[in-house]
Amino acid sequence: GQNIDQPTEMTATEGAIVQINCTYQTSGFNGLFWYQQHAGEAPTFLSYNVLDGLEEKGRFSSFLSRSKGYSYLLLKELQMKDSASYLCAVRDGDYKLSFGAGTTVTVRA
Amino acid sequence: SAVISQKPSRDICQRGTSLTIQCQVDSQVTMMFWYRQQPGQSLTLIATANQGSEATYESGFVIDKFPISRPNLTFSTLTVSNMSPEDSSIYLCSVEEVGGGNQPQHFGDGTRLSIL
Repeated sequence: GQNIDQPTEMTATEGAIVQINCTYQTSGFNGLFWYQQHAGEAPTFLSYNVLDGLEEKGRFSSFLSRSKGYSYLLLKELQMKDSASYLCAVRDGDYKLSFGAGTTVTVRA
Repeated sequence: SAVISQKPSRDICQRGTSLTIQCQVDSQVTMMFWYRQQPGQSLTLIATANQGSEATYESGFVIDKFPISRPNLTFSTLTVSNMSPEDSSIYLCSVEEVGGGNQPQHFGDGTRLSIL
């Protein structure tokens, strides 16, 4: 089966930077996705990486190293509304998405 | 991105009954999927809903328990059959649009199901 690991919880201060790491072992690789999920809501798409390197999208950036099976999501200038669960998901060789357990980020004033 | 309408948004059901969840998309999409998210956990893929043919189920999920229909490119249903308290969960529909391998999946708002 697929194996996707990310930290369970992280806490940071408003205005700070937080980096959420994700390591994966999957059967084939066709891209890595990051989703944000607020409590009681559906996941919303944040970013996508399929090639090595950094993708920047406003305050959010995502990095991928395929050789290391590693990605991170960087959240800059944290705001209270960024308190949510962040899900790392890998699309495997069959084009199915497997999700990590999610990282709950709490932003404190 | 596609607008996904999922209903009902929530329901409370008696054990032994069945509930059908509907997923409607406002545009034709290549792929439709059904996920389950149990309390405090991440998403688990139940099945891929195939247009005009039987759904493809993941390990641990069977058609008798979770029958799925997809009569066209914009609509799918998931039925949770003979429900027990262990089926209490959020059920999510997702779609992947036409456009190649870099398209993300987008999710409906989910159906929050509680079985008494």
